[in-house]
Amino acid sequence: QTVVTQEPSFSVSPGGTVTLTCGLNSGSVSTTYYPSWYQQTPGQAPRTLIYSTNTRSSGVPDRFSGSILGNKAALTITGAQPDDESDYYCVLYMGSGISVFGGGTKLTVL
Amino acid sequence: EVQLLESGGGLVQPGGSLRLSCAASGFTFSTYAMSWVRQAPGKGLEWVSSISGSGGSTYYADSVKGRFTISRDNSKNTLFLQMNSLRADDTAVYYCASRVGGAKAFDIWGQGTMVTVSS
Repeated sequence: QTVVTQEPSFSVSPGGTVTLTCGLNSGSVSTTYYPSWYQQTPGQAPRTLIYSTNTRSSGVPDRFSGSILGNKAALTITGAQPDDESDYYCVLYMGSGISVFGGGTKLTVL
Repeated sequence: EVQLLESGGGLVQPGGSLRLSCAASGFTFSTYAMSWVRQAPGKGLEWVSSISGSGGSTYYADSVKGRFTISRDNSKNTLFLQMNSLRADDTAVYYCASRVGGAKAFDIWGQGTMVTVSS
């Protein structure tokens, strides 16, 4: 069974930089998994941040960036703001129309 | 303005059926693959199903295969999810989402509709 792994929680200071990661229980994440990232605040629908590893969705500020770091996909937030306090989900595309979500990372900005 | 608006959620008994709809506006609906994603109370997001722009290809998570059917009416810019044999663990907010990046990621999201399966 494919399991997409994310840090359950992370903390960053206002103005700081944080990197969230997205891995696989078996194997490495590469661009061929087309990793994407989503932000969700409580009670709201998700918002698309990054797709195809590093393409920002329309209207997403450039302080959000995506990459591959080692054997994982990564979302880096530079100059964190209080409004960035949210849950962040990654998705890996497994082929044959199948997408798998990670468990999400709860980011605290304090 | 690009918009997705879900409807059809509600309370249903275990074993029952429900049909969700997602009305799209502001973009050329027929050219986009679409998906349903759900979120159980207090839990993370889970991909449920996807459909190609033409409707000719459909895909399902193992958890719903054989019970749920995704479809679309491109003449009415509407996406559907027919849910049969509902179980308590199908209780969730159901979001529809358009696909982007070669249909390998989610793009625009609706606001969601709540489905509660309980006796």
